[in-house]
Amino acid sequence: GAVVSQHPSRVICKSGTSVKIECRSLDFQATTMFWYRQFPKQSLMLMATSNEGSKATYEQGVEKDKFLINHASLTLSTLTVTSAHPEDSSFYICSAKGVSIETQYFGPGTRLLVL
Amino acid sequence: DQQVKQNSPSLSVQEGRISILNCDYTNSMFDYFLWYKKYPAEGPTFLISISSIKDKNEDGRFTVFLNKSAKHLSLHIVPSQPGDSAVYFCAASLGSGTYKYIFGTGTRLKVLA
Repeated sequence: GAVVSQHPSRVICKSGTSVKIECRSLDFQATTMFWYRQFPKQSLMLMATSNEGSKATYEQGVEKDKFLINHASLTLSTLTVTSAHPEDSSFYICSAKGVSIETQYFGPGTRLLVL
Repeated sequence: DQQVKQNSPSLSVQEGRISILNCDYTNSMFDYFLWYKKYPAEGPTFLISISSIKDKNEDGRFTVFLNKSAKHLSLHIVPSQPGDSAVYFCAASLGSGTYKYIFGTGTRLKVLA
């Protein structure tokens, strides 16, 4: 299957700072990337969908000014958690799909801990 | 409102036997369904998918069955192996063009050696 990477895999930051998470498709061009978050023992909740070169579409209840998403190229999308608070601590996972790929392929996830 | 439900949070099966994981959905507009396997602190790994025009898809030890009238799908793993122990998520997609996945809550499978 297609390979998607995320960086960093784990980050600890102070409350009020911003954190950037990168998602890369390594062996295909990702026309669409998705950002999810998962709380312990819960399902993956879609936060936003981003298409290369256009603004992200956010799910209901997700603050677009807090979770900034940029999909500047066909292989890279970034999620920036701005002014992070302890309640933003979670497992953030990206996925990507290409033009001719129906299936989403997921990155390994980023564990964010805000102190 | 949980549109995709996995009512069994956990399942234990003896090695070599069949594992059956179930998933129910409420939205009849879903037209593509998938199963993912997930280990702790890792991203989900794609296992198998099925389009709504089919009722069965098989890939090696994994078979997915879709019953549209019952809005139910299941994943069969046979024979089960200890390495299959993980959390399994079913997901449903709302029509071509959106590619949004709605995930179930997951079932933790434990295969006993």
